[in-house]
This record gives sequence, structure tokens and C-alpha cells, in this order.
Amino acid sequence: QVTLRESGPALVKPTQTLTLTCTLSGFSLTTDGMSVNWIRQPPGKALEWLAGIEWDDTKHYSMSLKTRLTISRDTSKNRVDLIMTNMDPVDTATYFCTREHRDNGWSKLDYWGQGILVTVSS
Amino acid sequence: DIQMTQSPSSLSASIGDRVTLTCQASRDITTYLNWYQHKPGKAPKLLIYDASNLEIGVPSRFSGSGSGTDFTFTITSLQPEDIATYFCQQYEILPYTFGQGTKLEIK
Repeated sequence: QVTLRESGPALVKPTQTLTLTCTLSGFSLTTDGMSVNWIRQPPGKALEWLAGIEWDDTKHYSMSLKTRLTISRDTSKNRVDLIMTNMDPVDTATYFCTREHRDNGWSKLDYWGQGILVTVSS
Repeated sequence: DIQMTQSPSSLSASIGDRVTLTCQASRDITTYLNWYQHKPGKAPKLLIYDASNLEIGVPSRFSGSGSGTDFTFTITSLQPEDIATYFCQQYEILPYTFGQGTKLEIK
């Protein structure tokens, strides 16, 4: 059974660095066609894709947030981390990690974590 | 970035109704579009991938169609458990972008 679970702080102060962890089970991130993406949703707003890491460790970032984001993985621990620096109240959002599966030309975000609400406030 | 515009933003319908949602891309994305269901406090669930393919285990009352810039998502007979927010997502190019969602309610 494939599951993803986000963990991290619920509250961070402005200018602090946020570290989120996505713990994976039921699949291997080193399998061809697999990726893990981080996506967020500010309250009342649309989902926003942030970053992704592929089966071969290729990384992708949102251009608008690229300077603040680092995505990494630890395959021995089945986890993917997202680091976001210089947090601001506008970064208050529910953060999701998702599994992406690509094959035969299609791509699916076929498993999602429940999300973690991160509030940025002093 | 590709902009995804969903309509309506909210919809009230009766049990058994046929419900149709639309999603428009700001440029041609062929069929590189997925539809998801999201209930509060739960993980979003993939329903339709590649515009018209039903994900395994998803009831057949859900369907999708379209290509290019205009896409449609249909529930043929609305059930109480279908109350949720539905959103589309394009994967033609990074960054993946999402529609703002359609909140479906029971009339």
C-alpha cells in the first residue's frame, strides 16, 4: 500500500527556514518513472507546485521560488525533504507531498499525503 | 506558466443529477490533464488522468473528455459521497499548474 506522510513544524516565524519531510512507503523512489513533488495550497487559493525530485535524483523547482527551495531525498530512509528559506506570512499554506508516476506519455499525481498546515507568524 | 481556469467555482446539485465541470488551459496541452477530488482534511484523490482515462478503482460515474485547451469532467449521477472540491491539473510542462477548483455541494 502506497502512502505518503508529511511532517514538520505547524508554526514558523518570519525569516525562519522551514524543513518539511515526506515519508514514503509502499514504493521505491528509485524506480524508473517515479517522482515526488511538493505542492502547497494557501487558504482559499489554488494549489501551487513547488518542487519535484525524480527517480534518478533530477530536481525541478518553481522558478518563482527557486532561490528559496531545496529538495532532497534519502532513499535509505524513504524520505524526501523540502527546505524553504526566509519564510514569510504569505507562505502560510497546507503543504502536500505527492507521488508522481509517469509512463506511456502520461503523468499522474496518484498518491498524496493529507497535507500539513504551516502557519508563518511572529 | 500555463493558466488553468475552472468553472464554475461552486455548484449546487441534487442527488442523481448529472454534473459537468469545465477546465480551460491558456494554451494547447493536448490531453495532458488530470482531475482530482479533494475532501476537507483528506488527501486529494486522482480520478481521471490523461484527460479521459479513469483511474483504477474510481467509479464509472466519473468521466473526462477534451483535448487542446478545453476539458470537461462529468459525474453522471451525483452521489452523497461526491461532495468535495474538484480540480484540474496540467502536466504538459513544468511548473504543473492547477485550476482553482470547483466546490460541489448538495442542493
